[in-house]
Amino acid sequence: DSGVTQTPKHLITATGQRVTLRCSPRSGDLSVYWYQQSLDQGLQFLIQYYNGEERAKGNILERFSAQQFPDLHSELNLSSLELGDSALYFCASSPTGPFGEQYFGPGTRLTVT
Amino acid sequence: GESVGLHLPTLSVQEGDNSIINCAYSNSASDYFIWYKQESGKGPQFIIDIRSNMDKRQGQRVTVLLNKTVKHLSLQIAATQPGDSAVYFCAETPSTGGFKTIFGAGTRLFVKA
Repeated sequence: DSGVTQTPKHLITATGQRVTLRCSPRSGDLSVYWYQQSLDQGLQFLIQYYNGEERAKGNILERFSAQQFPDLHSELNLSSLELGDSALYFCASSPTGPFGEQYFGPGTRLTVT
Repeated sequence: GESVGLHLPTLSVQEGDNSIINCAYSNSASDYFIWYKQESGKGPQFIIDIRSNMDKRQGQRVTVLLNKTVKHLSLQIAATQPGDSAVYFCAETPSTGGFKTIFGAGTRLFVKA
């Protein structure tokens, strides 16, 4: 157990809908990272937050947004969902960032039908 | 759990043998490299890291080698065990361009008992 929690574990929704994925980092970790993993692709970095502020942005679509709250938990919002958005979404946290070990949560499996 | 990367390159080794997993990275400005292990149905787990000012680092049963000249990274696992069976990802984080971590495609390690 990495200490990072993600909810929900599974999510099934229809195209065009909007969902919110939630992540609670390890106690004391200030950085949160979001990744997307499709079955036929590796991990794609989406975005990083550090102590509430956006620190780095990767291949995140404009339909996706994220934020980190004062209690350091983070949410990833996915809107206007398409079939191709079906993937595993991982959250990771680290004490500082961007260098250093990242602790990954168990992931949220999103299925868009 | 659901398989990650159904068409990944696969390395098959006999239990007790040494394993070498290779990775070519893309960005000569990358300053920090990590190897992650991902078991089926779980999030990635940190194995070992290395900074660009080093060419070798050892952990418990694992060694990472970095060759900056040819932008190559390798992970050596000594006395491979069945529990080492997983997908292994290398990741690079450049010190310029926004610290965006880039993951390699992954290699599936299969340990034969």
